[in-house]
Amino acid sequence: NAGVTQTPKFQVLKTGQSMTLQCAQDMNHEYMSWYRQDPGMGLRLIHYSVGAGITDQGEVPNGYNVSRSTTEDFPLRLLSAAPSQTSVYFCATSGRGTGELFFGEGSRLTVL
Amino acid sequence: GNSVTQMEGPVTLSEEAFLTINCTYTATGYPSLFWYVQYPGEGLQLLLKATKADDKGSNKGFEATYRKETTSFHLEKGSVQVSDSAVYFCALRGMDSNYQLIWGAGTKLIIKP
Repeated sequence: NAGVTQTPKFQVLKTGQSMTLQCAQDMNHEYMSWYRQDPGMGLRLIHYSVGAGITDQGEVPNGYNVSRSTTEDFPLRLLSAAPSQTSVYFCATSGRGTGELFFGEGSRLTVL
Repeated sequence: GNSVTQMEGPVTLSEEAFLTINCTYTATGYPSLFWYVQYPGEGLQLLLKATKADDKGSNKGFEATYRKETTSFHLEKGSVQVSDSAVYFCALRGMDSNYQLIWGAGTKLIIKP
């Protein structure tokens, strides 16, 4: 029972570097999303997708790109990392109409 | 627009104390309401939910009742344990959404032995 798998769990980047956070799910969920969690800020939605080939922006999309080529995978790309992107990132998925989100364990990113 | 307001933390209690974490919401119609819990170093997981007025969600000794008249969904537990120490998030899904949740800011709960 893998559920939602995020990799890597920890990453340190230098300003300007690029990287991809991976998210994979085995629950055949239509909906996949990326959140960032910062102290005192709660959860903020970055991007989401309601199916393969469909993506849309959330509350804080700037500096991030996503794509959804398969139902299972939803990678989050940082093209040029900035210190303001230091955060914990969560991938979350949901089946249609349930309202229940299933979260990965998180990826802690530090940008120096 | 829809919004969720929950009490600020941290909330610090002794073991076996009674817990209430307040959550109020603003939304049109009848949203679905949720409580999620985040244990240290983990992702969030659903604790309980209610989808219509007067419904009571319950799980692991926690309860919350969907009160339309007061637009509230307060989380309660009769006797907390050290293992309940976590961050608790209240959230709602509007009637016009299949997936998107509106989140409260989270309340950190600390239980002392």
